[in-house]
Amino acid sequence: SQELEQSPQSLIVQEGKNLTINCTSSKTLYGLYWYKQKYGEGLIFLMMLQKGGEEKSHEKITAKLDEKKQQSSLHITASQPSHAGIYLCGADDPGGGADGLTFGKGTHLIIQP
Amino acid sequence: NAGVMQNPRHLVRRRGQEARLRCSPMKGHSHVYWYRQLPEEGLKFMVYLQKENIIDESGMPKERFSAEFPKEGPSILRIQQVVRGDSAAYFCASSLQGGNGNTIYFGEGSWLTVV
Repeated sequence: SQELEQSPQSLIVQEGKNLTINCTSSKTLYGLYWYKQKYGEGLIFLMMLQKGGEEKSHEKITAKLDEKKQQSSLHITASQPSHAGIYLCGADDPGGGADGLTFGKGTHLIIQP
Repeated sequence: NAGVMQNPRHLVRRRGQEARLRCSPMKGHSHVYWYRQLPEEGLKFMVYLQKENIIDESGMPKERFSAEFPKEGPSILRIQQVVRGDSAAYFCASSLQGGNGNTIYFGEGSWLTVV
């Protein structure tokens, strides 16, 4: 079965600094999703990447899927307190089946003022 | 994603009781997924349903857990004879279509505590 490894597990960043979170798959990624979860709340969809080399941006958050489609990175520019939370990467079943997404364990992001 | 509605948000049950969690998908979505998030663990897929059909229940525990998505009304995740290990956050998600490459939107979750 597919496994997703996120790094780092936790991250403390000073407000205004840039940061990168990585998500590495044990198998080729056919669809990679990034979500953000605030503590005690639901998941907010950020972006979905499908093609090798694809890059998408939303406000100050950029996500990329590498050419080999086994790793994705999430980059936040000029971090703000509102960026704090748990970032989760999820992947489609590589067999194209009907089941749900496989998720990494998440990266806990803390923004220090 | 605010369109996926879950209730109750928080539920406390004594061991042996039943827990019923409800989920109304986003408007127009007929594909519903249930996930469980245990403390210190990641989000785990449980079951995928379409209207009146269970498509994939490979992540559901074999006993005490069941899910349905009737023709009318919300999807329901039912846990019978709850035990302490069932304490977790249960998330419902929905999508417009099934299969890979379709954005899945999550609800706010239902936090079950078994005492």
